This record gives sequence, structure tokens and C-alpha cells, in this order.
Amino acid sequence: DVKVTQSSRYLVKRTGEKVFLECVQDMDHENMFWYRQDPGLGLRLIYFSYDVKMKEKGDIPEGYSVSREKKERFSLILESASTNQTSMYLCASRTGGGNEKLFFGSGTQLSVL
Amino acid sequence: KNEVEQSPQNLTAQEGEFITINCSYSVGISALHWLQQHPGGGIVSLFMLSSGKKKHGRLIATINIQEKHSSLHITASHPRDSAVYICAVRSKRDDKIIFGKGTRLHILP
Repeated sequence: DVKVTQSSRYLVKRTGEKVFLECVQDMDHENMFWYRQDPGLGLRLIYFSYDVKMKEKGDIPEGYSVSREKKERFSLILESASTNQTSMYLCASRTGGGNEKLFFGSGTQLSVL
Repeated sequence: KNEVEQSPQNLTAQEGEFITINCSYSVGISALHWLQQHPGGGIVSLFMLSSGKKKHGRLIATINIQEKHSSLHITASHPRDSAVYICAVRSKRDDKIIFGKGTRLHILP
């Protein structure tokens, strides 16, 4: 069964801490994405990557960075966590071609105190 | 205005009812996805459509490219269908995926 694995289900951090959210997929997908999901706002794209060492800003990249050193791993970094970054973070990967499909991790609920 | 609009936002129905959730979009698309999210759970893909209609069990998804509209139907609904259903489109313009805000469905036993 295909899998997108996020390293933590729940995370509590303090304001100003550097936070790493890890995502690993086992499907050899080139396309990977980081979203945050907030009540009433739906999913918003933070960053995405179409290949190793490649990254593109999404709609809300401020306060975040990403790293993709290996094809299977896409990491989201909060350089200095702030309370407005408290959210559910979802990683996804996507197959290419004409029969594309989206696969999501189970999410990381991050609370910044 | 959101580029992907879903209706209704919330829907409560009795077990066995026929359910329809609608999705309208304003951009040119390469694909449209229907996704399901259970409370506290991850998101799973139900369908990808680029034209026509697809069926999987009690779920049917249709798309009308000219009208920029898609519907998700659930026949003989069951309490386990209670979830948030999300419509998402892949934009032809920049290849990004744009999500609707979801429809929260609650099926009463």
C-alpha cells in the first residue's frame, strides 16, 4: 500500500523555536507539497517541489522554508515559530501522467505557545 | 471570490438518502479531484476526473468541463459516509492545485 508518512502527529513548540516537519513518501513521486489547513480557510499551499533540490513558493510561504535533498523526503522548516503558525500541516505527493492521484500524510497538528 | 466553490458548506441527512455535493470552479483545469477527510483523519483521494463520469461503489462523480462544474453523489448514504468532502482542481495556468473549503456531511442513523 502506498504511503506518505509525516514524522509527528502532534507537536507543541514555543515561540521562536526552529521546527522541522518531516515527510517521506515511498512511491517514487517527483511532486510533493506542503499545505496548512485551518478552519474556514481550507488547505493552503506553503511550498512545493517537482524534483530533488527543487522548490517553489506556494501561496503562503512567509515564515517557512523547505528542503528536498532526496526524492522521497520533503521537509518543512519553521525558522522561528510564531503563534499564528499553529495549524494542521499536511504533506502530499502526486503521481504524474494522465491518471494522476493525490496521496496525503495523516497530518501534524502543531501548537505554538 | 474563491476559484473553487463548494456547496453546500454543511449537509445533514438521514441514512439511506441520496446525497449531492457540488463544486464550481473559475479557472481552466487539467484535472479535478474529490477527496474525503474523516474527523481527526488524513485525506484520501476518491476520484480524479478530467471528463465524463466515474463510479466507485456507492460514489459517483461527474464533471461538465464547459460549465466548469462537478458533482459528487452518494447513493444509499450511511453514517460511515460522514466526513468532509473536498473538491480540488489542478490549474492549467500554473499547475497548482486549488482546494475548495470542503462540505461537511453528517449522516444520521
